[in-house]
Amino acid sequence: AQSVTQLGSHVSVSEGALVLLRCNYSSSVPPYLFWYVQYPNQGLQLLLKYTSAATLVKGINGFEAEFKKSETSFHLTKPSAHMSDAAEYFCAVTGYGGSQGNLIFGKGTKLSVKP
Amino acid sequence: NAGVMQNPRHLVRRRGQEARLRCSPMKGHSHVYWYRQLPEEGLKFMVYLQKENIIDESGMPKERFSAEFPKEGPSILRIQQVVRGDSAAYFCASSPESRQDPYEQYFGPGTRLTVT
Repeated sequence: AQSVTQLGSHVSVSEGALVLLRCNYSSSVPPYLFWYVQYPNQGLQLLLKYTSAATLVKGINGFEAEFKKSETSFHLTKPSAHMSDAAEYFCAVTGYGGSQGNLIFGKGTKLSVKP
Repeated sequence: NAGVMQNPRHLVRRRGQEARLRCSPMKGHSHVYWYRQLPEEGLKFMVYLQKENIIDESGMPKERFSAEFPKEGPSILRIQQVVRGDSAAYFCASSPESRQDPYEQYFGPGTRLTVT
């Protein structure tokens, strides 16, 4: 069985500050992990993905995430927040050998960026 | 190359009516997935289809919901006799046949269903 926990449903940072969004996963098979971003009334856009290659994954818009197997974590970071980063962020997991289609999503974290 | 298309974007139905949601995958994609997003919740997997086949429907409610992906035309998610609890955003995603990009799914803009 697989699951995702996102700690903190709301995170607020100042413009230029570090962004840290937390994601912990549970998976009985080697996981593939994803971060998606959703702007209001829009679909999800893939930020980055981990598929068992490099543990530090760089994505779009300056985001990156590090896969830490020992901590079962895949936290999303960005060194300097921009106003345009305000959105909701979802972590998702699926597992090789499991149902290919079944992405398991966390409940999401809404990021607010203060000027 | 157009992205995943969903229509309608907004759908209002009265209790007891039927809702039909359509999804056209990206060109060259033969895998389609449907997810439901309730207010303040993440996305929940509903069903995974390939052309003319349902691969995994473990997330579909047992009654009133059905999905198809015919040989020609878009994928359809059908909800019969809608109830207020069906009000949600329904997202479709697609992925290619290639295994070089495992499990990466491209999402459409969603259909927001409101049941009055």
